[in-house]
Amino acid sequence: DQQVKQNSPSLSVQEGRISILNCDYTNSMFDYFLWYKKYPAEGPTFLISISSIKDKNEDGRFTVFLNKSAKHLSLHIVPSQPGDSAVYFCAARSGSNYKLTFGKGTLLTVNP
Amino acid sequence: DTAVSQTPKYLVTQMGNDKSIKCEQNLGHDTMYWYKQDSKKFLKIMFSYNNKELIINETVPNRFSPKSPDKAHLNLHINSLELGDSAVYFCASSPFGAGGPGDTQYFGPGTRLTVL
Repeated sequence: DQQVKQNSPSLSVQEGRISILNCDYTNSMFDYFLWYKKYPAEGPTFLISISSIKDKNEDGRFTVFLNKSAKHLSLHIVPSQPGDSAVYFCAARSGSNYKLTFGKGTLLTVNP
Repeated sequence: DTAVSQTPKYLVTQMGNDKSIKCEQNLGHDTMYWYKQDSKKFLKIMFSYNNKELIINETVPNRFSPKSPDKAHLNLHINSLELGDSAVYFCASSPFGAGGPGDTQYFGPGTRLTVL
């Protein structure tokens, strides 16, 4: 039962353009969402998060949008850089539950 | 100055053996976790400890036993290893353990376990 879904296993964009990574969730109890970035042979690193009381959070080139009615969130990277090439995981949590539920990840490739 | 470290990075062993993976964090965090990333690439939580107390115990076989000697360490011991245990195991830690907005999890580099 996948409660967090990343339906695109991979995405390829040109350097300087926008990358949009999508994530859908099914559990309406989720109220906090995170994006992690993972390079090969390394652990995931935290990128950006958003609480369900917001619909947008921005940090430099990274913006996360949350659409609660659609149970959908997206990560926008503008402009994309080759160093952004990595696997991006969407994760979600409910209330004060410690447990993070992860999606399967999307491999982003930014071409020079 | 690795924040969350795991040893070993790679572990190759025979079916039926018992092995341990060690995790240490020097961030002063209260909560530590073990995740498993299987061949389908899903990252799934297995266990979590807060100040040495077990707070999350997902449905994993009894052959897996976490041990937290202090809040900076969380080790994973696996008995009678099976082929299906082959995966990458990630340790993580978070500062507050309350699940609040600031409670970001920081991951170690992973241990790739291969059971032959």
